[in-house]
Amino acid sequence: AQRVTQPEKLLSVFKGAPVELKCNYSYSGSPELFWYVQYSRQRLQLLLRHISRESIKGFTADLNKGETSFHLKKPFAQEEDSAMYYCALLSYQKVTFGIGTKLQVIP
Amino acid sequence: EPEVTQTPSHQVTQMGQEVILRCVPISNHLYFYWYRQILGQKVEFLVSFYNNEISEKSEIFDDQFSVERPDGSNFTLKIRSTKLEDSAMYFCASLDRSSGANVLTFGAGSRLTVL
Repeated sequence: AQRVTQPEKLLSVFKGAPVELKCNYSYSGSPELFWYVQYSRQRLQLLLRHISRESIKGFTADLNKGETSFHLKKPFAQEEDSAMYYCALLSYQKVTFGIGTKLQVIP
Repeated sequence: EPEVTQTPSHQVTQMGQEVILRCVPISNHLYFYWYRQILGQKVEFLVSFYNNEISEKSEIFDDQFSVERPDGSNFTLKIRSTKLEDSAMYFCASLDRSSGANVLTFGAGSRLTVL
């Protein structure tokens, strides 16, 4: 069975500080991993995916198969980054989400 | 940019009533999903749908739930006899697997309040 673990429900950082949102996964196949973001009262939006290896809004995430992790990082947090962040794993038919981490950027 | 649209945005119903939540997925997507999010909790998978049939469902998706694609565009979630614990945001999503894109696009959600 596939599982996504986000160990922190809440992460508070000061503006300008580095951010790391942790995500670990469990999956027997070859995973496809994503980060979704949900700003207040808005829909879930794709932030980035490991396949594309891109940086969106200054965020990056590297898939580490040895550690089964896909942590989301940003070197300098901005106030507008405050949101819920969900790590997600895609199997053949289903996307499984982690519990989500609320990122709170303190001005 | 193509969107997944959901209606209604908010529905209030009495316990025991039937509710139908509607979704219009992105037109060239072939995989459809329903997720729910109880207030303050995680996004939970309910069901996936492909080729006009359910491909996978969670333990949450019991006999009181059903999904249907009645025409070429709509994808509905029906709750036959709502319970208080069905109160949640229900998100529809569709998945583009063409060319390895594998991007799951969500609708804005339908908030269901069961009284």
